[in-house]
Amino acid sequence: AQSVSQHNHHVILSEAASLELGCNYSYGGTVNLFWYVQYPGQHLQLLLKYFSGDPLVKGIKGFEAEFIKSKFSFNLRKPSVQWSDTAEYFCAVNWENGGFKTIFGAGTRLFVKA
Amino acid sequence: SQTIHQWPATLVQPVGSPLSLECTVEGTSNPNLYWYRQAAGRGLQLLFYSVGIGQISSEVPQNLSASRPQDRQFILSSKKLLLSDSGFYLCAWSKELPIEAFFGQGTRLTVV
Repeated sequence: AQSVSQHNHHVILSEAASLELGCNYSYGGTVNLFWYVQYPGQHLQLLLKYFSGDPLVKGIKGFEAEFIKSKFSFNLRKPSVQWSDTAEYFCAVNWENGGFKTIFGAGTRLFVKA
Repeated sequence: SQTIHQWPATLVQPVGSPLSLECTVEGTSNPNLYWYRQAAGRGLQLLFYSVGIGQISSEVPQNLSASRPQDRQFILSSKKLLLSDSGFYLCAWSKELPIEAFFGQGTRLTVV
């Protein structure tokens, strides 16, 4: 069965620290990749997405993610986090041979200390 | 612009009672519709998805069912709720492949 794994369930960082959240997915052919963010009290929203082309994708608020096909990974990064980045982050994968299904990872709760 | 409405926001129901959660999308036609359940530490679990009226795909066996009586309406139901049905339910829609989903505000269901 198709699956998405996020390595860290909870991450605590100080402001200005660098962030990297891991995401791996199971093999299954061509994929479309997403990171969603849920700020406290708000609904899920798209942070960035990868469909094809440059494997380094830049999203909103200084976030970026790199697709490494050989490692089945799509890790999220930010060079310097801010207190306002405190949120839960979800990796999601849509396998093109899976039609319209999108599978989400378990999520990573990030807490940034001011 | 497109919007998605999901209600109610919170719901407390006794065990054995029926359930009906409704989701509607405005501003688009023929959307793909999804029901997810969000549980702490387990992320978003895809429950059902629909690519058209009357077309429902179930991802996990469970006490719930879904229906799509109209193009932009998606309903999550149960005939008899279990305690284990408690959770946070999210409706989402997407338009085309590749999928980018837009989420509703969610319903917090507590079965007592």
